[in-house]
Amino acid sequence: GQQVMQIPQYQHVQEGEDFTTYCNSSTTLSNIQWYKQRPGGHPVFLIQLVKSGEVKKQKRLTFQFGEAKKNSSLHITATQTTDVGTYFCAGPVVMATGKLIFGQGTTLQVKP
Amino acid sequence: DGGITQSPKYLFRKEGQNVTLSCEQNLNHDAMYWYRQDPGQGLRLIYYSQIVNDFQKGDIAEGYSVSREKKESFPLTVTSAQKNPTAFYLCASSIEYGRPYGYTFGSGTRLTVV
Repeated sequence: GQQVMQIPQYQHVQEGEDFTTYCNSSTTLSNIQWYKQRPGGHPVFLIQLVKSGEVKKQKRLTFQFGEAKKNSSLHITATQTTDVGTYFCAGPVVMATGKLIFGQGTTLQVKP
Repeated sequence: DGGITQSPKYLFRKEGQNVTLSCEQNLNHDAMYWYRQDPGQGLRLIYYSQIVNDFQKGDIAEGYSVSREKKESFPLTVTSAQKNPTAFYLCASSIEYGRPYGYTFGSGTRLTVV
């Protein structure tokens, strides 16, 4: 069945280092969404990418959507302790685009 | 402020007991969803509703039931048939089913079987 996979599952970085998480889909996606879940919290929508090769930035966060629309990445420059949490990518289910399928998430720990 | 309210925040269930988790939204969103999150795992879809008086099973609907009698409300009942109900339950909504809008999530309910 359709799958969305994220790597790595966990990442520990020193504050100030960069961080990247990768998302790969088994099928072509019409769009991809990214969410952040703080420890003990709930997922919060960050951004959506729609176009092939699209790149969007939010301050220190850079999001990319692959040319084939089957992969995506989130890059954080100069991490801060406020970046701690789990980052999920999600894409619409083929033939049922109102439903999202979520990756397993990448949990980021930042050491001050 | 608009948002999704889930209650209770923590819930303890005895063996063989049915419990109902509340989800209310004032965002005027058409679509609503229930997800289950287990430690270290992603979100798995339990049930979803495209519009009031309509709902469909998700990937792990066994042992759960829902209703959508009002646009604002989408309660989830965890029945005694759900053998491993301990998890974090998240309710979400989106403006319109099938359109590429981000989901808004509630703050969740942590259910524990005692």
